[in-house]
Amino acid sequence: GQQVMQIPQYQHVQEGEDFTTYCNSSTTLSNIQWYKQRPGGHPVFLIQLVKSGEVKKQKRLTFQFGEAKKNSSLHITATQTTDVGTYFCAGLRTGGAQKLVFGQGTRLTINP
Amino acid sequence: GAGVSQSPRYKVTKRGQDVALRCDPISGHVSLYWYRQALGQGPEFLTYFNYEAQQDKSGLPNDRFSAERPEGSISTLTIQRTEQRDSAMYRCASSRGDGTYEQYFGPGTRLTVT
Repeated sequence: GQQVMQIPQYQHVQEGEDFTTYCNSSTTLSNIQWYKQRPGGHPVFLIQLVKSGEVKKQKRLTFQFGEAKKNSSLHITATQTTDVGTYFCAGLRTGGAQKLVFGQGTRLTINP
Repeated sequence: GAGVSQSPRYKVTKRGQDVALRCDPISGHVSLYWYRQALGQGPEFLTYFNYEAQQDKSGLPNDRFSAERPEGSISTLTIQRTEQRDSAMYRCASSRGDGTYEQYFGPGTRLTVT
């Protein structure tokens, strides 16, 4: 079945450093979503990418969807302590299904 | 408005007992999803509904798990004859179902089977 792999599993940075997490799907996706889960919290939607090669920005966060619609990345510039949490990508496969397949997440910790 | 709510928030049950987990989605949301999330892992799809119709139950681990959404709003996930391996966080999410597919998650029910 469809698999979504995310790397790295953990990332520890100094406050102010950049952070990137990568997501790869075994199948072509119709769209990819990114969620953030704070410690003890629930996943919160960040963004959705639909078009091949799409790039979206939210303040210090930059999201990319690969040309083949099988991979994606999230880049955070100049991390802040509020960025702490686990970032999940989740892929919706082509064909109209609404079944979202989540990656295992990248847990970001920050040294202030 | 109010977000997705789930009850109970915590459930401790003995092996062999049945449990029912409830999800109250955001009002007007067409789609409702159930996930199971192990510690340190991403949510794992179980099943989803559009209105009252169960569209996909391919993620339910076995026939001890079932879900319903009889009136197209509140949903119940039932686990019969619970086993220790069923212990996990069970999360519900809802979406407008208008094609945007953005999902809003509830706080989850932490199930512990002793």
